[in-house]
Amino acid sequence: DQQVKQNSPSLSVQEGRISILNCDYTNSMFDYFLWYKKYPAEGPTFLISISSIKDKNEDGRFTVFLNKSAKHLSLHIVPSQPGDSAVYFCAASYSGAGSYQLTFGKGTKLSVIP
Amino acid sequence: NAGVTQTPKFRVLKTGQSMTLLCAQDMNHEYMYWYRQDPGMGLRLIHYSVGEGTTAKGEVPDGYNVSRLKKQNFLLGLESAAPSQTSVYFCASSYGAPMSKTQYFGPGTRLLVL
Repeated sequence: DQQVKQNSPSLSVQEGRISILNCDYTNSMFDYFLWYKKYPAEGPTFLISISSIKDKNEDGRFTVFLNKSAKHLSLHIVPSQPGDSAVYFCAASYSGAGSYQLTFGKGTKLSVIP
Repeated sequence: NAGVTQTPKFRVLKTGQSMTLLCAQDMNHEYMYWYRQDPGMGLRLIHYSVGEGTTAKGEVPDGYNVSRLKKQNFLLGLESAAPSQTSVYFCASSYGAPMSKTQYFGPGTRLLVL
């Protein structure tokens, strides 16, 4: 049973517009969420994270929103740039025993069209 | 500062052969992890280590063994490779708790088992 779901395998956005990537989770114990970006033939790189005590975290063009009641988070990229074209993975973690383990979604491939 | 490095980058094995994948990190991280990524799938945790001399099973440990004899190195072994182990393997590391949630990944090792 998938605990972290990214239901959109792919997304295409025009350069300069907003990209919104979505992620849903089922395990209510998750209290920390991360987004990773992955280019082909490279390892994932950390992008942004959010703790469950917040509902928004911003870092430059990247903002993550968390809706705990809906068990949903989203990553907004504004404005989108061609260099943002990559696969984005949502990951979740929880406090306590095993808190260092991350559970990943299957990823969403973002294509930003010039 | 090289971060997380993996050796080799690519390898072809025949069914039944053995091999060891090497991961090294120079960030003095306490925790290290091995993941595999298959097409259309997220990253799945194979084994992890929370310190030198310690290892533990992750989500998909069968067919793999690991060792962490030195803090900076984490080895993943395949004793008898099977075609189902064809995958891309990523190593990651992180600080110890409570700052362990952000993991830093290596570039990956592509393994093809014929």
